[in-house]
Amino acid sequence: NAGVTQTPKFQVLKTGQSMTLQCAQDMNHNSMYWYRQDPGMGLRLIYYSASEGTTDKGEVPNGYNVSRLNKREFSLRLESAAPSQTSVYFCASSETGPSYGYTFGSGTRLTVV
Amino acid sequence: EDQVTQSPEALRLQEGESSSLNCSYTVSGLRGLFWYRQDPGKGPEFLFTLYSAGEEKEKERLKATLTKKESFLHITAPKPEDSATYLCAVQRTGSNDYKLSFGAGTTVTVRA
Repeated sequence: NAGVTQTPKFQVLKTGQSMTLQCAQDMNHNSMYWYRQDPGMGLRLIYYSASEGTTDKGEVPNGYNVSRLNKREFSLRLESAAPSQTSVYFCASSETGPSYGYTFGSGTRLTVV
Repeated sequence: EDQVTQSPEALRLQEGESSSLNCSYTVSGLRGLFWYRQDPGKGPEFLFTLYSAGEEKEKERLKATLTKKESFLHITAPKPEDSATYLCAVQRTGSNDYKLSFGAGTTVTVRA
């Protein structure tokens, strides 16, 4: 089925370890986003890419880096994981324009111990 | 800074008992207000976009309305399958990035 695919679905890291969360979409969308979701705080934007070749910081970018590898793929990297980065991470994509809602992936549940 | 506040945090309904969820927002200029549904362990699923005060949209038992300061999601005669977390988000005018700012959500539980 067409949509947004995230890998892995679950991950446990030790403090200080690094990892990359992968995201790919097959809808030919221009824009892609990374959010984190924490209980009681809603979805908060980490980084986004309005179009291929561009990336910008969102609300909570500290401790993260991103790469828009091509139009389909947008990865999120944690260079040195901290317990505060324990969260559920969602990737989303959208067409360019206000009429279009986001299509979200199914999420990556990350625990940092 | 954009602010989105949803209330109540949780809502327990009997099957057939209609109710409303509230989303109040503060944004410098509203381009659109979005409603999403999120099931446990899954990503949010797009429901509606509203653009201007007075606008209404419907989908099955759900109806979303918009005023200048808030939006309501009305659930008419809910069924157990309507149990989910409902998220509200706003998009600001004056930018070309179409970012969304989300509220914390309202978790709805419908008992048979």
